[in-house]
Amino acid sequence: DAMVIQNPRYQVTQFGKPVTLSCSQTLNHNVMYWYQQKSSQAPKLLFHYYDKDFNNEADTPDNFQSRRPNTSFCFLDIRSPGLGDAAMYLCATSRGRGDYEQYFGPGTRLTVT
Amino acid sequence: GENVEQHPSTLSVQEGDSAVIKCTYSDSASNYFPWYKQELGKRPQLIIDIRSNVGEKKDQRIAVTLNKTAKHFSLHITETQPEDSAVYFCAVSSARQLTFGSGTQLTVLP
Repeated sequence: DAMVIQNPRYQVTQFGKPVTLSCSQTLNHNVMYWYQQKSSQAPKLLFHYYDKDFNNEADTPDNFQSRRPNTSFCFLDIRSPGLGDAAMYLCATSRGRGDYEQYFGPGTRLTVT
Repeated sequence: GENVEQHPSTLSVQEGDSAVIKCTYSDSASNYFPWYKQELGKRPQLIIDIRSNVGEKKDQRIAVTLNKTAKHFSLHITETQPEDSAVYFCAVSSARQLTFGSGTQLTVLP
C-alpha cells in the first residue's frame, strides 16, 4: 500500500546530542512537510519541501534542519536537542501545495533526557 | 498570516447525540478546509474536507458546512459512537500551507 513511513517510531536522545528522524513515502508526492506536535496542541509546521525547493517557517528555530535527497525521502535533523524539543514529529506529504490533501505518517515520538 | 480559531476545546456528548465543532478563519482567500481526527498517540487522519465552491458536504454520519461570507465552517457528527472519541482539528489552506485550529477533545459517553 502506498504510504508515509517514519523511522524510528520512538527516539530517545540526550540533551545536546544531534538526532536525525527520517520519513519516506511511496505516494510520489511533490511536497513533504515536517510538523512538531506537543501534547494537547495542534501540529506546528516547521518547514516543507516543494520538490527540491526548501521552505522554512519564520519561527522555526535554527536548531532544526532538513534534507530531501530525493523524492521519496526527507530527514529532520535536530542539531542540539533541548528538553523543549521533546514532542511528536509528524511527516506529511501532498501532491501539491494549497488545496491538496495532506497524508500524515505515524510520527516519531522524541524524548530528550 | 492565517488565524484559525476552533471551539469548543472540549465537548462531551451522550452516545447517539450529535456533536458540532466550529472554526473561524481570517484569510478570505483560503479555499480548502479539511477536518482531521487524531486518536491518542496516532497520526491525524482526514475525515472530511470541503472546498470554497461548495457550501455543504456529507459523508455518512459526518458533515461539514462552510459559510465563506462569514468565514466560518463547522463539523457535524450525528449518532455519535464511543469510537468517535478523539481530538478533532480543523484546518485552513492558503496557497502554501495548512493552518490548524487548536483542537477539540470529543468524548462520547456510553
